[in-house]
Amino acid sequence: DTEVTQTPKHLVMGMTNKKSLKCEQHMGHRAMYWYKQKAKKPPELMFVYSYEKLSINESVPSRFSPECPNSSLLNLHLHALQPEDSALYLCASSPQAGGGAKNIQYFGAGTRLSVL
Amino acid sequence: GQNIDQPTEMTATEGAIVQINCTYQTSGFNGLFWYQQHAGEAPTFLSYNVLDGLEEKGRFSSFLSRSKGYSYLLLKELQMKDSASYLCAVRDARGSTLGRLYFGRGTQLTVWP
Repeated sequence: DTEVTQTPKHLVMGMTNKKSLKCEQHMGHRAMYWYKQKAKKPPELMFVYSYEKLSINESVPSRFSPECPNSSLLNLHLHALQPEDSALYLCASSPQAGGGAKNIQYFGAGTRLSVL
Repeated sequence: GQNIDQPTEMTATEGAIVQINCTYQTSGFNGLFWYQQHAGEAPTFLSYNVLDGLEEKGRFSSFLSRSKGYSYLLLKELQMKDSASYLCAVRDARGSTLGRLYFGRGTQLTVWP
């Protein structure tokens, strides 16, 4: 089982709203990732959590706030977003945030976000 | 950062063989991945190479030459469902960024009947 579950699948929000994206995996993975993907572009890394601690923040604006409450869950809190933040937000997980043949990143189906 | 280059688009006929190339320039290397992504869906892991040579997995094979900074994904007996974007990704091996993936822009493959 390599399932990463993301909710909601679709989200429409206004620029003054506060919303959260959720990601869950039960594979015992200790590394979790948030990516942003615009149409016809590759995924862009936003955040990496390793053992529930933030290890990489790719200079993401503060209107995106990640949270890792436990080893199975990853949230992305959204506040005061801009229309250009509309994109597919992908969550991924891997056994660890390291090298080796076993540390493959598995992706969830994503949340398609539209900011009006 | 990393520089990863792959063709933007390719087309092929059902039943044919297609090779998607990827070249990369990195200051640290800890493996190369290929992912398949259908429009609006999550990337799906296809293959991983860290040593030189060919890895075969059913209809898909992936090749790596570290000295040339070159990889290819070979798809045999193409099916309509293989129409998708194929992403080449390189894993960084440096210090605090250990495990970080850098993605190429993806190759959109269209398979015609």
